[in-house]
Amino acid sequence: AQSVTQLGSHVSVSEGALVLLRCNYSSSVPPYLFWYVQYPNQGLQLLLKYTTGATLVKGINGFEAEFKKSETSFHLTKPSAHMSDAAEYFCAVSDPNFGNEKLTFGTGTRLTIIP
Amino acid sequence: GAGVSQSPSNKVTEKGKDVELRCDPISGHTALYWYRQRLGQGLEFLIYFQGNSAPDKSGLPSDRFSAERTGESVSTLTIQRTQQEDSAVYLCASSLDAPGQETQYFGPGTRLLVL
Repeated sequence: AQSVTQLGSHVSVSEGALVLLRCNYSSSVPPYLFWYVQYPNQGLQLLLKYTTGATLVKGINGFEAEFKKSETSFHLTKPSAHMSDAAEYFCAVSDPNFGNEKLTFGTGTRLTIIP
Repeated sequence: GAGVSQSPSNKVTEKGKDVELRCDPISGHTALYWYRQRLGQGLEFLIYFQGNSAPDKSGLPSDRFSAERTGESVSTLTIQRTQQEDSAVYLCASSLDAPGQETQYFGPGTRLLVL
């Protein structure tokens, strides 16, 4: 069974400051890892994903995440926050042995940007 | 179409009534998923369709929930005898479900309120 833990249901950062959203997972096999963003009243949009290869993955809007197997983590970062980054962010994991069935999502982190 | 579409966008119903939620996946996507997102919670997997294979219904919370898909096109999620705890946003996603094509693309969701 897989699970995802997102530390901090709410994170606030000042505009221009570093954004760090934490995600830890448990999986019996090397997983695929995803970050999705949900803007108010919109559907989820893929930010980035890790499947195989380079452990530092870059996504849209200046976000990136690093897969650290030893720490079972896939934290999301952005060097400088922008007001438009205010949204809810979801980390998700899937078992590649089962293709892309049943993404397991974390409970989400709501990011607030302080002007 | 350009993306996954869902209808209606909002649905208010009375306890005990049946509701049908519709999902139109991206053309050519063989895999289709339904998720439920309760207020303040992460996404909860409900059901997964892949081509002509038997659907994975392991996430359906009760026998009041059912879903159908016609070929590789439209899917309908039906909730019978709705209860107040069914109030949530119901999200549909589709993907190619092929190696290297694991990304699920989400629709905007149907916001269901059971009074």
